[in-house]
Amino acid sequence: SAVISQKPSRDICQRGTSLTIQCQVDSQVTMMFWYRQQPGQSLTLIATANQGSEATYESGFVIDKFPISRPNLTFSTLTVSNMSPEDSSIYLCSVDGGYDGYTFGSGTRLTVV
Amino acid sequence: AQTVTQSQPEMSVQEAETVTLSCTYDTSENNYYLFWYKQPPSRQMILVIRQEAYKQQNATENRFSVNFQKAAKSFSLKISDSQLGDTAMYFCASTKQGAQKLVFGQGTRLTINP
Repeated sequence: SAVISQKPSRDICQRGTSLTIQCQVDSQVTMMFWYRQQPGQSLTLIATANQGSEATYESGFVIDKFPISRPNLTFSTLTVSNMSPEDSSIYLCSVDGGYDGYTFGSGTRLTVV
Repeated sequence: AQTVTQSQPEMSVQEAETVTLSCTYDTSENNYYLFWYKQPPSRQMILVIRQEAYKQQNATENRFSVNFQKAAKSFSLKISDSQLGDTAMYFCASTKQGAQKLVFGQGTRLTINP
C-alpha cells in the first residue's frame, strides 16, 4: 500500500498568518484527498486534488481559504490562509490504496493562537 | 448523498472481552465499500477492516470481524479477545466505487480496561 509522508506534524501559528502542509506519496496516485478533523470530531473532507486540474472543494470550504496545489502525481500541498483560532484542527491527506483501503498521512496538528 | 451514523459515542470493556461497535449507513449506490478505521492517540488513521458491498461474506481480520447486513444498511465491528492496544477512536466510513471520497461516521471512543 502507498506510504504518505506529511509535514509538518504540528505547528503553532499566529492568527492572520498562513501555513502550508505538504504530503508526499511513495507512488503515483490520481487523486489525493484533504480532510480536517476538528477537536473531538470526525473527519470532514475539505477537497479532492486531481493532478492537472483545479481541486474540487466540498460545501463550506473555499479555495481562497484552503488553496491546494497538485504539481505532480506524488505530491500535494494544502495551505490554511488567514488563520483564526477556529482553524485549530488536525489536517490529514489521504490516497486510495486500492485493496489496502485508503492510506492517510500522519496528520498535522495545527494550533492557532 | 452518503451518510454514516455511529450511535455509540463511547464504549468501555475489560481486557479479553468481546465488544461490538455499531454503524449504519445510507447510500443510493449499488457498488460501494465500507471501512472501519482506528485512530489511536498518535492520530494516525489505521485501516482495521474493509468490506465490498457486493460480497455477501463478512470480512474478518484476525480478532476483528464485521456483521454486514446490506438490506438493513448496517455494518458493525466485533473485536474479540480485546487488548489494551485496541484503545482508540474507531470510525466507520463508506465510499462509492472508484477512488472516491470517504464519508465518516462520528466515531466511537473505545477504552479497554486492564
